[in-house]
Amino acid sequence: ETGVTQTPRHLVMGMTNKKSLKCEQHLGHNAMYWYKQSAKKPLELMFVYNFKEQTENNSVPSRFSPECPNSSHLFLHLHTLQPEDSALYLCASSLDGLAYEQYFGPGTRLTVT
Amino acid sequence: GQQLNQSPQSMFIQEGEDVSMNCTSSSIFNTWLWYKQDPGEGPVLLIALYKAGELTSNGRLTAQFGITRKDSFLNISASIPSDVGIYFCAGYMDSSYKLIFGSGTRLLVRP
Repeated sequence: ETGVTQTPRHLVMGMTNKKSLKCEQHLGHNAMYWYKQSAKKPLELMFVYNFKEQTENNSVPSRFSPECPNSSHLFLHLHTLQPEDSALYLCASSLDGLAYEQYFGPGTRLTVT
Repeated sequence: GQQLNQSPQSMFIQEGEDVSMNCTSSSIFNTWLWYKQDPGEGPVLLIALYKAGELTSNGRLTAQFGITRKDSFLNISASIPSDVGIYFCAGYMDSSYKLIFGSGTRLLVRP
């Protein structure tokens, strides 16, 4: 148990659906991250929030929309996804945006049909 | 773009053997992190290294921050079946606050 939880753990959605992924951290951290992990590729950073402010958008398509209402919660809103968006989506947190140790949640396995 | 070369890609070893894997880059890093990922789970932080030459242990795991600041290695001694998983190196370059990941080393242990 790393102190970072993600729900749901598995999600199957059609290309016209709208869904949201949720991440919550219980570590008292101030920075939160979304990563995408596809087969045979290194982890790809998607978004960074530091003290609730978005500080990084790594050229992510607009069909992915993040939301960070407070330092403990992070959402990833999904709409009109493509099959190639199927992947493991990982949330991580760190003490702040300059801190080096990131702690990951268990991930949401997303399948787009 | 920025890249970490992690090797080997996979290893299949006998229980009890020692294991070594490494990461190299053409760029200088100021921090190295080693993670392990089990199937269906997120990466778990194993060891963090902050200074060139630093050697740090965590149980049977030992990792070192290369003196050139362009590489790091992870050793696992006396492997056991629960060591199975994918091991990732990750690092921060001097000029960036983005954590860059290697492509992982898949470890399989034969009982």
